[in-house]
Amino acid sequence: QKEVEQDPGPLSVPEGAIVSLNCTYSNSAFQYFMWYRQYSRKGPELLMYTYSSGNKEDGRFTAQVDKSSKYISLFIRDSQPSDSATYLCAMRRTGGFKTIFGAGTRLFVKA
Amino acid sequence: DAGVIQSPRHEVTEMGQEVTLRCKPISGHDYLFWYRQTMMRGLELLIYFNNNVPIDDSGMPEDRFSAKMPNASFSTLKIQPSEPRDSAVYFCASSPGADRNYGYTFGSGTRLTVV
Repeated sequence: QKEVEQDPGPLSVPEGAIVSLNCTYSNSAFQYFMWYRQYSRKGPELLMYTYSSGNKEDGRFTAQVDKSSKYISLFIRDSQPSDSATYLCAMRRTGGFKTIFGAGTRLFVKA
Repeated sequence: DAGVIQSPRHEVTEMGQEVTLRCKPISGHDYLFWYRQTMMRGLELLIYFNNNVPIDDSGMPEDRFSAKMPNASFSTLKIQPSEPRDSAVYFCASSPGADRNYGYTFGSGTRLTVV
């Protein structure tokens, strides 16, 4: 079993839809949770991060962490064609600096 | 700041040849990471450095792979001899520190094809 599981998709939605992206994990020591966005032929870029449980909002993006269920989510409101990319969840434990990435979910937002 | 700079962007080589990938991290970032990305395995951490010292190389697949960081502004990942299964996109990333949750800044990657 992988430490981090993420559905690779693809996920296709119409412009303006609310998008929900999710990851599950098995290591209860993970405390830092991140979402990266990767456009085609580019490196991943950090989008959001949260520490431990709770929500964090940044513009159209909301990250949620439920440590009791070992489940994290990224919500995108009012999705735009420019949001079309691969979204990777990532996480690491306190005291460590080794970040484990999910497989990434490919998202297509149709105009 | 120019970000993390990797070279070359693309590399095509024949099986058995030596390949050297290069990375210049962001100035002031103490941590440097080498990742490999494939469709099958996603992003895999190969090795990372702190202040030019290798900290964890447990992800290096085998002895054919080696990495160095001779100074704070330069790192190399070498594959010798290369094999077709090494074909992947290799990313270098840097980060300012571990005392807070700094994310990584990735380069644009080197797309390696071994034929």
